[in-house]
Amino acid sequence: AQSVTQPDARVTVSEGASLQLRCKYSYFGTPYLFWYVQYPRQGLQLLLKYYPGDPVVQGVNGFEAEFSKSNSSFHLRKASVHWSDWAVYFCAVSIGTGNYKYVFGAGTRLKVIA
Amino acid sequence: NAGVIQTPRHKVTGKGQEATLWCEPISGHSAVFWYRQTIVQGLEFLTYFRNQAPIDDSGMPKERFSAQMPNQSHSTLKIQSTQPQDSAVYLCASSIGVWNEQYFGPGTRLTVL
Repeated sequence: AQSVTQPDARVTVSEGASLQLRCKYSYFGTPYLFWYVQYPRQGLQLLLKYYPGDPVVQGVNGFEAEFSKSNSSFHLRKASVHWSDWAVYFCAVSIGTGNYKYVFGAGTRLKVIA
Repeated sequence: NAGVIQTPRHKVTGKGQEATLWCEPISGHSAVFWYRQTIVQGLEFLTYFRNQAPIDDSGMPKERFSAQMPNQSHSTLKIQSTQPQDSAVYLCASSIGVWNEQYFGPGTRLTVL
């Protein structure tokens, strides 16, 4: 069965610094992958999505992610973090064939400091 | 586009009471998903509908949970005889087609006393 691991429960970065949030997936085929962000007391907002194709995908607010089949990874990056990025980030995988439900990682809580 | 609408935003029930949660998907979206979010278990899939038909309810606790989609404009999740362990945020999501990304509502926070 597919699974998603986000190895870092909490990450703290300084405003203006670069960011990488890690995501590892487990699935024997080619997955559909997503990053979502959740602000306090809100639902999930889509940051970006990967469908089979270009391994580097661009998202909203300067976020990008890179798919690696060899490493089973889909890490999220941002060149310069803003205080408004303080939130919880979730990586999700969908099989994409026959069943489209998401399997989520546990989430990474990002804290931005001055 | 109002996004996915979920009502109520907060619901408090006593142990043993029934709770009904409502979801209005984005107009034109054919797939509706329900998830549950807790601190301990994280985000868990419950069930989903495609063109109003139930497709997969593998995440639903069998005895007290049920979901319906009587028309294309709303879905309900009903929990009978609520228990404290049912306390969670219940999230509804919709997508234009099952291949596409899901858009989430703000969730309903259910508290069972």
